[in-house]
Amino acid sequence: GAGVSQSPRYKVAKRGQDVALRCDPISGHVSLFWYQQALGQGPEFLTYFQNEAQLDKSGLPSDRFFAERPEGSVSTLKIQRTQQEDSAVYLCASKGLRSQETQYFGPGTRLLVL
Amino acid sequence: GESVGLHLPTLSVQEGDNSIINCAYSNSASDYFIWYKQESGKGPQFIIDIRSNMDKRQGQRVTVLLNKTVKHLSLQIAATQPGDSAVYFCAGTTGGGNKLTFGTGTQLKVEL
Repeated sequence: GAGVSQSPRYKVAKRGQDVALRCDPISGHVSLFWYQQALGQGPEFLTYFQNEAQLDKSGLPSDRFFAERPEGSVSTLKIQRTQQEDSAVYLCASKGLRSQETQYFGPGTRLLVL
Repeated sequence: GESVGLHLPTLSVQEGDNSIINCAYSNSASDYFIWYKQESGKGPQFIIDIRSNMDKRQGQRVTVLLNKTVKHLSLQIAATQPGDSAVYFCAGTTGGGNKLTFGTGTQLKVEL
């Protein structure tokens, strides 16, 4: 079956440019998560949605990071005025009601800020 | 807060041998743990999970052991195969798994 998909898979941005990363969760999954993974490190939590409600954004590193999920399905992570330290892989995961605890991850978007 | 760490950054094993990957956690309130496998260029792939009311859980060729007394869990892979080569992460959470805290990962290398 279809898993979590993310686009673009790779993004190169110039410092100061705005970027938008898209996540399509597994159909029917109500919970959606964004993580940031630096090279050689484990993923770090950024934010979490249940349906369209953003219930936890404690991991967003600055106000340049913004996430939305207006219709409770597709989500977009936006980074404004990108900086070199934003270079990382951005992972999206989703979780359903029946499998309440298992998060399934997409392939990630690799962002490189020059 | 939660921190999850791994004992070894790299583990090399011979094909066919058993592998054991270890993980320590700090938050005694953690009640759910997951092992993920991540291959190069891919997202983490779920392997096996365990709740804190259990001390052992088995899957296909994998076993997870949880020792709450010393806040330690391990992933055992039986008859390791070349396809098992990847980075393995443990992750922990409290209260339903909405905010996973990951360790830094162990690179498993399977030698032929």
